[in-house]
Amino acid sequence: QQQVKQSPQSLIVQKGGISIINCAYENTAFDYFPWYQQFPGKGPALLIAIRPDVSEKKEGRFTISFNKSAKQFSLHIMDSQPGDSATYFCAASTGQAGTALIFGKGTTLSVSS
Amino acid sequence: GEEVAQTPKHLVRGEGQKAKLYCAPIKGHSYVFWYQQVLKNEFKFLISFQNENVFDETGMPKERFSAKCLPNSPCSLEIQATKLEDSAVYFCASSPTGGEHAFFGPGTRLTVL
Repeated sequence: QQQVKQSPQSLIVQKGGISIINCAYENTAFDYFPWYQQFPGKGPALLIAIRPDVSEKKEGRFTISFNKSAKQFSLHIMDSQPGDSATYFCAASTGQAGTALIFGKGTTLSVSS
Repeated sequence: GEEVAQTPKHLVRGEGQKAKLYCAPIKGHSYVFWYQQVLKNEFKFLISFQNENVFDETGMPKERFSAKCLPNSPCSLEIQATKLEDSAVYFCASSPTGGEHAFFGPGTRLTVL
């Protein structure tokens, strides 16, 4: 049973465009929703995270939108750049100490110049 | 240190041999997590520690996998009698709070021949 479903699997966006990646979760106990960016041969790096008490969080060109009733959240990358080309993972956890992150299967983003 | 360090970067083992991976968490971080990434994308949680104590080991295949985090030593993940299916990248992550802000190391790529 996949607890966090991520789509699309791959995405091609023109430079300057908006990249949108979506995730849906099932476990209503999840209370912490981070996004990670991973470049080939590297470990995932925390990009931005949100808790369900807010519907949106913005950090620079990256925005998380959160819909608690629909159990969905999404990552928007504004003004996408070739340097944003990477694999993006959404994740979820209960946010309690020591608990594991449950990852989506990742979205490979290619930003064409 | 300010980064999670993992050694070795690459490890090649024949089927049936032992493999041992090491992780030095960020100083001051009390929680350590091990994840296995297979097929480039899927992350599987293995085990978490709070200091030297196992916190959650629900993801560990206990017959062949073991892990330790001893005081003043790097954490370790050991696989006895490796199998072909153990080929993956193993990531260690550390967190100050355990529930959020998990910082990942660069990973160890294990290849079982």
